[in-house]
Amino acid sequence: KAGVTQTPRYLIKTRGQQVTLSCSPISGHRSVSWYQQTPGQGLQFLFEYFSETQRNKGNFPGRFSGRQFSNSRSEMNVSTLELGDSALYLCASSVGSADYGYTFGSGTRLTVV
Amino acid sequence: AQRVTQPEKLLSVFKGAPVELKCNYSYSGSPELFWYVQYSRQRLQLLLRHISRESIKGFTADLNKGETSFHLKKPFAQEEDSAMYYCALRGGGATNKLIFGTGTLLAVQP
Repeated sequence: KAGVTQTPRYLIKTRGQQVTLSCSPISGHRSVSWYQQTPGQGLQFLFEYFSETQRNKGNFPGRFSGRQFSNSRSEMNVSTLELGDSALYLCASSVGSADYGYTFGSGTRLTVV
Repeated sequence: AQRVTQPEKLLSVFKGAPVELKCNYSYSGSPELFWYVQYSRQRLQLLLRHISRESIKGFTADLNKGETSFHLKKPFAQEEDSAMYYCALRGGGATNKLIFGTGTLLAVQP
């Protein structure tokens, strides 16, 4: 079966712009979570969605937002990009609400210049 | 506060030597602990979860609540074990939110 698909794989944006990243979970998975991975901070939780509802949000500014659609696909949006937003953004999906481990996507590498 | 600590950024061992990747956590309740692995140019993938008490690719990990530790062990390292290893914690409740450690790079020398 297809894995977690993230698009695009790479993105270069300019400071002040906004960006939207997409994640398609494994078929049948209803939970989608997003993480930011940087060399300095490691893997940091952004937010979690289950059945179109945001259940949890990490400690990120309001410029970071997300949503989940009825088909479980999810998008995250970052507005007014800053240089420090450059990172690998990972999406992960799981079947249930408190599942025993995620399946991760390959990530979207965002570079802000 | 929930926190996961992996004290070693890099662990270098020779093939056939025992491996122990350290993980300590801070959590007031009953956590669930996981080990994730990321091989070169591959996506992050689940290796072990404490609740299953399983052995995967020869790796085991035991949750020690007294020492708040969840160290990953393997008796004989193989070159193909070289990868980045992350310990992660999930708190209670209906959530999939994970708190990750900073990771340990395991390098197995021939």
